[in-house]
Amino acid sequence: GAVVSQHPSRVICKSGTSVKIECRSLDFQATTMFWYRQFPKKSLMLMATSNEGSKATYEQGVEKDKFLINHASLTLSTLTVTSAHPEDSSFYICSAPTGGRGKDTQYFGPGTRLTVL
Amino acid sequence: KQEVTQIPAALSVPEGENLVLNCSFTDSAIYNLQWFRQDPGKGLTSLLLIQSSQREQTSGRLNASLDKSSGRSTLYIAASQPGDSATYLCAVGRGYGNKLVFGAGTILRVKS
Repeated sequence: GAVVSQHPSRVICKSGTSVKIECRSLDFQATTMFWYRQFPKKSLMLMATSNEGSKATYEQGVEKDKFLINHASLTLSTLTVTSAHPEDSSFYICSAPTGGRGKDTQYFGPGTRLTVL
Repeated sequence: KQEVTQIPAALSVPEGENLVLNCSFTDSAIYNLQWFRQDPGKGLTSLLLIQSSQREQTSGRLNASLDKSSGRSTLYIAASQPGDSATYLCAVGRGYGNKLVFGAGTILRVKS
């Protein structure tokens, strides 16, 4: 099946710093990628849709200036958490769909565990 | 606003049992429904994808059904094994680009 990678898998940073997370589709092209956030023992919440060649679309309540998304190529999307605070600590997962509308399977990256001290 | 609910929240069964995980959604206008498995601290593995026009999908010991009109899906696991222990997530594709809305998951533990 299709493979999606994320880097880094785990990051610990100080409050106020920025952290960049990469999401790559390794064996297919993805014009769209999705970024999710998962709190402990909770489900995944969609943060934004990353669109290659255009601006990301953010879900209601997600601060676009805090969570910067750049879809640099057909295989790479990055999420930058700016001026991170302890409440940003979470598990961030990206996904990329393959196939046509309504018929695709979503492939998920392994996730990035962010801890802000 | 689409809401996805999974029951039970947690389940513990002895090895070899057949079991059913339930998923319900409030808006029946979905594109597809997908079942995932998540191991602790890991990403998601897609198990089964059911298109909105389909009633069920099977893969090995797994069978997923979809009843759009009633807003329900079930994941049936036959002859459960300790290796099946994980969190099982149900998600519905709700729009262009198939953004997914997830349930909270069912934590499954299969005891040997």
